[in-house]
Amino acid sequence: DAGITQSPRHKVTETGTPVTLRCHQTENHRYMYWYRQDPGHGLRLIHYSYGVKDTDKGEVSDGYSVSRSKTEDFLLTLESATSSQTSVYFCAIRKGQGARGETQYFGPGTRLLVL
Amino acid sequence: AQSVTQLDSQVPVFEEAPVELRCNYSSSVSVYLFWYVQYPNQGLQLLLKYLSGSTLVKGINGFEAEFNKSQTSFHLRKPSVHISDTAEYFCAVSESVGNEKLTFGTGTRLTIIP
Repeated sequence: DAGITQSPRHKVTETGTPVTLRCHQTENHRYMYWYRQDPGHGLRLIHYSYGVKDTDKGEVSDGYSVSRSKTEDFLLTLESATSSQTSVYFCAIRKGQGARGETQYFGPGTRLLVL
Repeated sequence: AQSVTQLDSQVPVFEEAPVELRCNYSSSVSVYLFWYVQYPNQGLQLLLKYLSGSTLVKGINGFEAEFNKSQTSFHLRKPSVHISDTAEYFCAVSESVGNEKLTFGTGTRLTIIP
């Protein structure tokens, strides 16, 4: 158990609506990540955070923003949802012993359907 | 930039037969390699990882993988599969010392035939 929860687990929304997904960790790890999973694409990094208020873009960041005001919470916001953002979203944390031993562990995912 | 190729999108295998899932990577520097498994409607679980040292890495559920630098490969193997191994398997690579960012392959769906 990686100590990661995601909410909501399922969401249906309409095009143009803002949506916020939450990732919560219980172990105070520095790095947190948001990925999206789509058939034929595997997992692609959207944004990641390396500390409170410290974030950076990933491979597919357009249309998404993130915030991290507390170590334990990492929020992903779709300012104006589009059908192309229908996907499964996974949060991950990085933990381990020492820099070379750190590995990413994943949350259970959020299924988002944009109509 | 790093990249990962999983050439086989689907692999059907009879129960108790051996299986190999292929993973090739591209990078100009030293890499760290991972295999994750995703069971239906679940998140990703770490199967095994290569950071350094022995090129043969053993993971959970009887899986192992071998790092081959000359062929830039990290194929996943199991000598005898079980129905419960039905899942999607993802290979991932990282170039940074701290494994800051992972790049994933597109996945291989392993189906076990009874």
